[in-house]
Amino acid sequence: KNQVEQSPQSLIILEGKNCTLQCNYTVSPFSNLRWYKQDTGRGPVSLTIMTFSENTKSNGRYTATLDADTKQSSLHITASQLSDSASYICVVTVSGAGSYQLTFGKGTKLSVIP
Amino acid sequence: NAGVTQTPKFQVLKTGQSMTLQCAQDMNHNSMYWYRQDPGMGLRLIYYSASEGTTDKGEVPNGYNVSRLNKREFSLRLESAAPSQTSVYFCASNMRQTLFGYTFGSGTRLTVV
Repeated sequence: KNQVEQSPQSLIILEGKNCTLQCNYTVSPFSNLRWYKQDTGRGPVSLTIMTFSENTKSNGRYTATLDADTKQSSLHITASQLSDSASYICVVTVSGAGSYQLTFGKGTKLSVIP
Repeated sequence: NAGVTQTPKFQVLKTGQSMTLQCAQDMNHNSMYWYRQDPGMGLRLIYYSASEGTTDKGEVPNGYNVSRLNKREFSLRLESAAPSQTSVYFCASNMRQTLFGYTFGSGTRLTVV
């Protein structure tokens, strides 16, 4: 069964500190992996998308890494800000027979405190 | 630049009532999707429309129907609401099925009592 597991479930960090969120997946065949940020009461917003051949992709203070061999991804947030408080969702795309299916992780809830 | 617009934002229904959730996008996207998000679970696909004129079931289609009214609009209908359908519903769209990033609406919070 295709699964996407995220850790930790929740995280509290001080403003200005760095943090790393993890995503492990058992999806096959893999097409791409995305990280989304979801603010409370809002829809998810795309941060990065990586294909099989990409190891790292950055978007400002967000850097995502992908190890397709171990089926692991991480999202590193540098110099956190209060506005980074949100849920971060890892999404993996399965492809096959001309169709695609997204499998969503449950998300990591990040709280950045002053 | 509205993106994906969902209406209503909040709704309370009694068990057995019906309602339609509306979704419209102004980005000329071909594909549109309906997801539900429940506490402690990842988003789950209800129905999708890969292109105008087509609709397909997702992971959890039971109790729902959809209509792709035109390229811009994709509605989700609950014919006889049940408490198990209490959830936050998100509409999303993208240019072509899945290779491109999705744009999500801000959600409809539905409570069925």
